[in-house]
Amino acid sequence: QKEVEQDPGPLSVPEGAIVSLNCTYSNSAFQYFMWYRQYSRKGPELLMYTYSSGNKEDGRFTAQVDKSSKYISLFIRDSQPSDSATYLCAMKKAGNQFYFGTGTSLTVIP
Amino acid sequence: ETGVTQTPRHLVMGMTNKKSLKCEQHLGHNAMYWYKQSAKKPLELMFVYNFKEQTENNSVPSRFSPECPNSSHLFLHLHTLQPEDSALYLCASSQEQGSNTEAFFGQGTRLTVV
Repeated sequence: QKEVEQDPGPLSVPEGAIVSLNCTYSNSAFQYFMWYRQYSRKGPELLMYTYSSGNKEDGRFTAQVDKSSKYISLFIRDSQPSDSATYLCAMKKAGNQFYFGTGTSLTVIP
Repeated sequence: ETGVTQTPRHLVMGMTNKKSLKCEQHLGHNAMYWYKQSAKKPLELMFVYNFKEQTENNSVPSRFSPECPNSSHLFLHLHTLQPEDSALYLCASSQEQGSNTEAFFGQGTRLTVV
């Protein structure tokens, strides 16, 4: 079983839609959870960083962590064509090894 | 600009060449990483350096040789690569201690082995 599971998509939505991206994981020791956005031919850019369970909001983006279900989500409200990218979830426990999902490809259609 | 700079951005090399990738971070972090990103695959961790000491070598072939002369600089020396080594090579850094331990990535080097 992979440490982190993420549906690769592709996901296509109309402009203005609410997008929900998800990852599941198997290791209950994970404490730090991240979402990255990666545009084509660029490096991943950190979007959201959460420690332990709960919600975190930043503008149109909301990250949720449910440690009891080993499930994390990223919601994008009022999606824009500029949100079209690959979204990677990542997580880590104490120490410096990061575990990444495969990424979900998102296209927002004008 | 994330504070992690990689050069070159693109590299084409023959299988008998020797080249080096460079990474520099301006964030004061104490951990640096090399990742390989191939199409349709998760990021593959290659090497981790913590306070200049290598703490992780993820069964990477010896044709990839890392070097970390100080906490701000990381190199990946390449020699006798194979076409399947063509990928995006990403450098990242993080702060190991404290509450903010997220990784920041550079823009990557797009490597093509011919």
